[in-house]
Amino acid sequence: DQQVKQNSPSLSVQEGRISILNCDYTNSMFDYFLWYKKYPAEGPTFLISISSIKDKNEDGRFTVFLNKSAKHLSLHIVPSQPGDSAVYFCAAGEAAGNKLTFGGGTRVLVKP
Amino acid sequence: GAVVSQHPSWVICKSGTSVKIECRSLDFQATTMFWYRQFPKQSLMLMATSNEGSKATYEQGVEKDKFLINHASLTLSTLTVTSAHPEDSSFYICSVLDRLNEKLFFGSGTQLSVL
Repeated sequence: DQQVKQNSPSLSVQEGRISILNCDYTNSMFDYFLWYKKYPAEGPTFLISISSIKDKNEDGRFTVFLNKSAKHLSLHIVPSQPGDSAVYFCAAGEAAGNKLTFGGGTRVLVKP
Repeated sequence: GAVVSQHPSWVICKSGTSVKIECRSLDFQATTMFWYRQFPKQSLMLMATSNEGSKATYEQGVEKDKFLINHASLTLSTLTVTSAHPEDSSFYICSVLDRLNEKLFFGSGTQLSVL
């Protein structure tokens, strides 16, 4: 039973355009959400997080939106850059810092 | 600089041998570390939660006798894959919980290939 799902396995976007990555979850106890970026054969690096008391969090080119009623979150990257090409994982937890459940990842390719 | 040091970054071993992977917290003392595994084109799957000074908590389906976890100090956790088999070939990643700042930092991962 996948509690965190990223339904798009891949995404291709032109440099300078917006990348939108989606993530759905089923566990209503999740109250903390994170996005990680991962290059091949490397560990994930933290991008941005959001707690359930917010519906938006912005950090530079990265914005995360949370829709609790729909159990859906999204990551917007704008403008997209070639260096953003990587696999992006959303993750959810029941309390900040607790163990995380990861989605399957979305591979993003930003074309120059 | 890196917050978490994990090594080796890759290892090739023969079937039946044991492999130890180390995860070190460099910037702070960590009472809790996590071990994940990622198969190709799949997500990170939590294997176990490593607690300093006590037994690790394993996720369902993970054999505790096969994946031995030792968290003997506040800066070091080790994962030993005992009697490794080709199906254990995977990418293993540790993460360290910074409770003070409520952040989770990941190691660079270990690619294990069992021949």
